[in-house]
Amino acid sequence: DVKVTQSSRYLVKRTGEKVFLECVQDMDHENMFWYRQDPGLGLRLIYFSYDVKMKEKGDIPEGYSVSREKKERFSLILESASTNQTSMYLCASSPGTMETQYFGPGTRLLVL
Amino acid sequence: QKEVEQNSGPLSVPEGAIASLNCTYSDRGSQSFFWYRQYSGKSPELIMFIYSNGDKEDGRFTAQLNKASQYVSLLIRDSQPSDSATYLCAVGPGNNRLAFGKGNQVVVIP
Repeated sequence: DVKVTQSSRYLVKRTGEKVFLECVQDMDHENMFWYRQDPGLGLRLIYFSYDVKMKEKGDIPEGYSVSREKKERFSLILESASTNQTSMYLCASSPGTMETQYFGPGTRLLVL
Repeated sequence: QKEVEQNSGPLSVPEGAIASLNCTYSDRGSQSFFWYRQYSGKSPELIMFIYSNGDKEDGRFTAQLNKASQYVSLLIRDSQPSDSATYLCAVGPGNNRLAFGKGNQVVVIP
């Protein structure tokens, strides 16, 4: 079974803090993704990566950065957290460009 | 802009009935189509994928794809209370990413 893990299930941070969200997959997948999910807005793609050290902006990259130093690990960084970044963050991985994405359990982030 | 639309509001179905969900997409070049189920507070999990026109059945679930009309549907037969969830349609346009619809909530009434 594909396993995608995320470093935290719940996280509370203060405005202005730097926040790191980590995602690890154990299936040697090429592609990894970071989404945020908000009520009424659905899943929105923040960044994705199709290879180590490669990244591409998604639909809402502002205020975020990413790092992929190893194939199995994809990190999302909030450089200076703001209250409008309070959300559910979901990481996903897939073996190829057109193939199924497998999601991690999600991190519910609250920025105060 | 590539879009995936799931326009129906919450769907309430009696236990044992068929739930029918529809999804339309705008990119005629789309090649892969997925249905995910998401329970409240949980992450999406794959139910089915379909690549070719026609029907694909897996247990109580049937996915139907019509590329000419640009829609994909999901039928849930013999609906159970455990099917109560939000169902997300996702479409692969071929640029390394999927486009997701906003989801349809299904409530199965015992």
